[in-house]
Amino acid sequence: EVQLVESGGGLVQPGRSLRLSCTTSGFTIGDFAVTWVRQAPGKGLEWVGFIRKKAHDGTTEYAASVKGRFTISRDDSKSIAYLQMNSLKTEDTAVYYCTRGYCSGGSCYFADAFDFWGQGTMVTVSS
Amino acid sequence: QSALTQPRSVSGSPGQSVTISCTGTSSDVGAYNRVSWYQQHPGKAPKLMIYDVNERPSGVPDRFSGSKSGNTASLTISGLQAEDEADYYCCSYAGTHTIYVFGTGTQVTVL
Repeated sequence: EVQLVESGGGLVQPGRSLRLSCTTSGFTIGDFAVTWVRQAPGKGLEWVGFIRKKAHDGTTEYAASVKGRFTISRDDSKSIAYLQMNSLKTEDTAVYYCTRGYCSGGSCYFADAFDFWGQGTMVTVSS
Repeated sequence: QSALTQPRSVSGSPGQSVTISCTGTSSDVGAYNRVSWYQQHPGKAPKLMIYDVNERPSGVPDRFSGSKSGNTASLTISGLQAEDEADYYCCSYAGTHTIYVFGTGTQVTVL
């Protein structure tokens, strides 16, 4: 069974840092891109960023709202992906989901969709 | 990059059909066939319902179908059932600068 489990959320002051983890099982994480999506309380979904699989150089892409502050990494040997969040702002308050990138065919440099999601972890940025 | 535009809410009686629109631009929905739809029940994680405009993942009922015309994608739920009551979000690939953009979300109510 494919599973993704986020952890590391909590309450943090503005300007501080937090690292989220996405622990996966039931599939070989090395064969997939991992994407982070967030949802502010009562709001819609927002794409945060993703990391490609090693076969695609493991490069990353980020939304403009987090670029330069957030960093995604992966440790395929541990089946874990990470979201390092620095210089946090109150507007970063959200549930953060990690997802698996799905490709129907082709090079898959960019995923077609996000087929499995974790349950999410809440990050609250407040003084 | 602005979010894709969806109606705030749609409703229908059991057995009826409802259609949710997702309007973007010629830089996202209109340019690529990487449009997907997600169902989200309250307090739960989103679930993939449609990918590549009109493809259904294994396990998704064929009551759910997708289409696209120009800059607008649509999700149709036929034979509406009580368990279909949820929020629905579209998502489109938007090129190498913006990458992905989600819709504003639509609440589906089964009357």
